[in-house]
Amino acid sequence: AQSVAQPEDQVNVAEGNPLTVKCTYSVSGNPYLFWYVQYPNRGLQFLLKYITGDNLVKGSYGFEAEFNKSQTSFHLKKPSALVSDSALYFCAVRAQYNQGGKLIFGQGTELSVKP
Amino acid sequence: DTGVSQDPRHKITKRGQNVTFRCDPISEHNRLYWYRQTLGQGPEFLTYFQNEAQLEKSRLLSDRFSAERPKGSFSTLEIQRTEQGDSAMYLCASSRPGSLNTEAFFGQGTRLTVV
Repeated sequence: AQSVAQPEDQVNVAEGNPLTVKCTYSVSGNPYLFWYVQYPNRGLQFLLKYITGDNLVKGSYGFEAEFNKSQTSFHLKKPSALVSDSALYFCAVRAQYNQGGKLIFGQGTELSVKP
Repeated sequence: DTGVSQDPRHKITKRGQNVTFRCDPISEHNRLYWYRQTLGQGPEFLTYFQNEAQLEKSRLLSDRFSAERPKGSFSTLEIQRTEQGDSAMYLCASSRPGSLNTEAFFGQGTRLTVV
Protein backbone atom coordinates (compact mmCIF):
# COMPACT_ATOMS: atom_id res chain seq x y z
CA ALA A 1 0.00 0.00 0.00
CA GLN A 2 1.09 3.53 -0.68
CA SER A 3 1.43 6.01 2.15
CA VAL A 4 2.95 9.37 2.96
CA ALA A 5 3.97 10.66 6.37
CA GLN A 6 4.60 14.25 7.32
CA PRO A 7 5.90 13.94 10.87
CA GLU A 8 5.45 17.58 11.86
CA ASP A 9 1.99 19.10 12.13
CA GLN A 10 3.54 22.56 12.35
CA VAL A 11 6.87 24.17 11.51
CA ASN A 12 7.77 27.61 12.84
CA VAL A 13 10.54 29.62 11.19
CA ALA A 14 11.79 33.19 11.43
CA GLU A 15 11.75 35.20 8.22
CA GLY A 16 15.07 34.97 6.42
CA ASN A 17 15.98 31.63 7.97
CA PRO A 18 16.08 28.39 6.02
CA LEU A 19 13.09 26.10 6.25
CA THR A 20 12.57 22.37 5.92
CA VAL A 21 9.27 20.51 5.77
CA LYS A 22 9.72 16.77 6.12
CA CYS A 23 8.10 13.98 4.12
CA THR A 24 8.65 10.24 4.00
CA TYR A 25 6.83 7.81 1.75
CA SER A 26 6.11 4.16 1.20
CA VAL A 27 5.36 2.78 -2.24
CA SER A 28 6.07 -0.33 -4.27
CA GLY A 29 8.41 0.37 -7.11
CA ASN A 30 9.60 3.77 -8.19
CA PRO A 31 7.69 6.77 -6.87
CA TYR A 32 6.58 9.98 -8.42
CA LEU A 33 6.68 12.60 -5.64
CA PHE A 34 4.95 15.96 -5.44
CA TRP A 35 4.67 18.97 -3.15
CA TYR A 36 1.57 21.15 -3.08
CA VAL A 37 0.76 24.27 -1.07
CA GLN A 38 -2.68 25.31 0.17
CA TYR A 39 -3.63 28.79 1.29
CA PRO A 40 -6.76 29.33 3.45
CA ASN A 41 -10.01 28.52 1.63
CA ARG A 42 -8.12 27.76 -1.55
CA GLY A 43 -7.34 24.67 -3.58
CA LEU A 44 -3.92 23.10 -3.81
CA GLN A 45 -1.20 24.71 -5.87
CA PHE A 46 1.56 22.61 -7.41
CA LEU A 47 5.09 23.48 -6.22
CA LEU A 48 7.40 20.82 -7.61
CA LYS A 49 7.80 17.16 -8.47
CA TYR A 50 10.39 14.41 -8.60
CA ILE A 51 10.12 11.93 -11.43
CA THR A 52 13.64 10.70 -12.11
CA GLY A 53 17.16 12.00 -12.48
CA ASP A 54 18.74 14.63 -10.26
CA ASN A 55 17.80 14.13 -6.63
CA LEU A 56 17.53 17.89 -6.02
CA VAL A 57 14.43 19.32 -7.64
CA LYS A 58 13.74 23.04 -7.96
CA GLY A 59 10.25 24.42 -8.08
CA SER A 60 8.11 27.52 -7.76
CA TYR A 61 8.71 30.46 -5.39
CA GLY A 62 12.29 29.42 -4.60
CA PHE A 63 11.35 26.05 -3.12
CA GLU A 64 13.37 22.92 -3.72
CA ALA A 65 13.15 19.33 -2.54
CA GLU A 66 15.65 16.55 -2.11
CA PHE A 67 14.79 12.97 -3.00
CA ASN A 68 16.58 10.35 -0.90
CA LYS A 69 15.80 6.83 -2.03
CA SER A 70 17.57 5.03 0.81
CA GLN A 71 15.69 7.04 3.42
CA THR A 72 12.47 7.13 1.36
CA SER A 73 12.25 10.86 1.97
CA PHE A 74 11.39 13.93 -0.06
CA HIS A 75 11.93 16.95 2.17
CA LEU A 76 10.88 20.41 1.03
CA LYS A 77 13.39 23.21 1.56
CA LYS A 78 13.87 26.90 1.02
CA PRO A 79 17.08 28.80 1.79
CA SER A 80 15.37 31.95 3.06
CA ALA A 81 11.77 31.92 4.29
CA LEU A 82 9.27 34.69 3.64
CA VAL A 83 6.22 35.60 5.73
CA SER A 84 4.16 34.98 2.60
CA ASP A 85 5.31 31.33 2.62
CA SER A 86 3.03 30.72 5.60
CA ALA A 87 0.53 28.10 4.45
CA LEU A 88 -0.34 24.40 4.59
CA TYR A 89 2.04 22.12 2.70
CA PHE A 90 1.21 18.65 1.40
CA CYS A 91 3.52 15.93 0.17
CA ALA A 92 2.03 13.36 -2.20
CA VAL A 93 3.14 10.17 -3.89
CA ARG A 94 1.99 8.38 -6.99
CA ALA A 95 3.14 4.85 -7.72
CA GLN A 96 4.64 4.42 -11.15
CA TYR A 97 2.55 1.30 -11.73
CA ASN A 98 -0.73 3.04 -10.88
CA GLN A 99 -2.35 3.53 -14.24
CA GLY A 100 -5.00 5.83 -12.84
CA GLY A 101 -2.51 8.30 -11.48
CA LYS A 102 -4.22 9.00 -8.16
CA LEU A 103 -2.20 10.87 -5.57
CA ILE A 104 -1.78 9.72 -1.97
CA PHE A 105 -1.32 12.72 0.31
CA GLY A 106 0.27 13.20 3.70
CA GLN A 107 -1.74 14.89 6.43
CA GLY A 108 -0.11 18.23 5.83
CA THR A 109 2.32 20.52 7.65
CA GLU A 110 1.39 24.05 8.62
CA LEU A 111 4.28 26.40 8.01
CA SER A 112 4.34 29.61 10.00
CA VAL A 113 6.96 32.23 9.13
CA LYS A 114 7.24 35.10 11.62
CA PRO A 115 8.78 38.49 10.82
CA ASP B 1 -9.50 31.91 -16.28
CA THR B 2 -8.16 28.64 -17.65
CA GLY B 3 -7.85 26.81 -14.32
CA VAL B 4 -10.06 24.10 -12.82
CA SER B 5 -13.43 25.56 -11.85
CA GLN B 6 -15.75 24.20 -9.18
CA ASP B 7 -19.31 25.21 -8.39
CA PRO B 8 -20.64 26.03 -5.88
CA ARG B 9 -17.83 27.19 -3.60
CA HIS B 10 -19.95 26.62 -0.50
CA LYS B 11 -23.01 24.50 0.16
CA ILE B 12 -25.01 24.17 3.36
CA THR B 13 -27.62 21.45 3.37
CA LYS B 14 -29.85 19.66 5.80
CA ARG B 15 -29.16 16.05 6.66
CA GLY B 16 -30.98 13.75 4.31
CA GLN B 17 -30.97 16.12 1.34
CA ASN B 18 -29.22 15.43 -1.95
CA VAL B 19 -26.46 17.70 -3.24
CA THR B 20 -24.63 17.94 -6.55
CA PHE B 21 -21.30 19.60 -7.27
CA ARG B 22 -19.83 20.50 -10.63
CA CYS B 23 -16.24 20.54 -11.83
CA ASP B 24 -14.97 22.03 -15.08
CA PRO B 25 -11.42 20.83 -15.74
CA ILE B 26 -8.77 22.55 -17.81
CA SER B 27 -9.96 22.12 -21.39
CA GLU B 28 -7.25 19.89 -22.82
CA HIS B 29 -7.04 17.66 -19.73
CA ASN B 30 -8.53 14.19 -20.18
CA ARG B 31 -7.96 12.97 -16.62
CA LEU B 32 -10.24 14.17 -13.86
CA TYR B 33 -10.10 13.33 -10.15
CA TRP B 34 -12.32 13.94 -7.14
CA TYR B 35 -10.85 14.14 -3.64
CA ARG B 36 -12.32 14.83 -0.23
CA GLN B 37 -10.49 16.82 2.43
CA THR B 38 -11.56 17.06 6.07
CA LEU B 39 -10.13 19.50 8.58
CA GLY B 40 -6.56 18.74 9.52
CA GLN B 41 -6.17 16.02 6.92
CA GLY B 42 -4.74 15.70 3.47
CA PRO B 43 -7.00 15.14 0.47
CA GLU B 44 -8.30 11.57 0.08
CA PHE B 45 -8.91 10.10 -3.35
CA LEU B 46 -12.53 9.40 -4.25
CA THR B 47 -12.68 8.63 -7.95
CA TYR B 48 -10.97 9.06 -11.32
CA PHE B 49 -12.13 9.56 -14.91
CA GLN B 50 -10.22 9.24 -18.11
CA ASN B 51 -12.34 11.02 -20.66
CA GLU B 52 -15.90 9.85 -19.92
CA ALA B 53 -14.91 6.52 -18.36
CA GLN B 54 -14.86 6.19 -14.60
CA LEU B 55 -11.85 3.94 -14.12
CA GLU B 56 -11.30 3.85 -10.39
CA LYS B 57 -13.40 4.36 -7.28
CA SER B 58 -12.21 4.45 -3.69
CA ARG B 59 -13.79 2.38 -0.96
CA LEU B 60 -14.59 5.78 0.57
CA LEU B 61 -17.14 6.27 -2.17
CA SER B 62 -20.23 4.73 -0.62
CA ASP B 63 -23.39 3.87 -2.54
CA ARG B 64 -24.72 7.34 -1.71
CA PHE B 65 -22.02 8.93 -3.84
CA SER B 66 -22.10 8.96 -7.61
CA ALA B 67 -19.93 10.76 -10.12
CA GLU B 68 -20.35 11.28 -13.83
CA ARG B 69 -18.46 12.83 -16.69
CA PRO B 70 -20.93 12.39 -19.51
CA LYS B 71 -19.07 13.95 -22.42
CA GLY B 72 -15.57 13.73 -21.12
CA SER B 73 -15.57 17.40 -20.22
CA PHE B 74 -17.20 18.61 -16.98
CA SER B 75 -17.98 16.25 -14.13
CA THR B 76 -20.60 16.10 -11.40
CA LEU B 77 -20.42 14.54 -7.96
CA GLU B 78 -23.76 13.78 -6.30
CA ILE B 79 -24.26 12.83 -2.68
CA GLN B 80 -27.65 11.37 -1.82
CA ARG B 81 -29.20 11.39 1.64
CA THR B 82 -26.39 13.50 3.08
CA GLU B 83 -25.05 12.75 6.56
CA GLN B 84 -23.14 14.99 8.93
CA GLY B 85 -20.03 12.94 8.26
CA ASP B 86 -20.14 14.09 4.64
CA SER B 87 -19.17 17.60 5.73
CA ALA B 88 -15.84 18.28 4.04
CA MET B 89 -14.11 20.13 1.24
CA TYR B 90 -14.59 18.36 -2.09
CA LEU B 91 -11.72 18.99 -4.47
CA CYS B 92 -11.59 18.36 -8.19
CA ALA B 93 -8.33 18.05 -10.10
CA SER B 94 -7.39 17.45 -13.70
CA SER B 95 -4.25 16.49 -15.58
CA ARG B 96 -3.29 16.34 -19.21
CA PRO B 97 -2.93 13.21 -21.31
CA GLY B 98 0.34 11.39 -21.51
CA SER B 99 2.68 10.15 -18.87
CA LEU B 100 1.62 9.70 -15.27
CA ASN B 101 4.42 12.00 -14.19
CA THR B 102 2.32 15.04 -15.06
CA GLU B 103 1.09 17.09 -12.15
CA ALA B 104 -2.58 17.51 -11.30
CA PHE B 105 -4.15 20.96 -11.14
CA PHE B 106 -6.73 21.52 -8.44
CA GLY B 107 -9.83 23.66 -8.27
CA GLN B 108 -10.64 25.80 -5.25
CA GLY B 109 -13.02 23.19 -3.92
CA THR B 110 -16.62 23.02 -2.75
CA ARG B 111 -17.05 23.22 1.01
CA LEU B 112 -20.05 21.15 2.12
CA THR B 113 -21.65 21.62 5.51
CA VAL B 114 -24.40 19.21 6.53
CA VAL B 115 -26.54 20.45 9.40
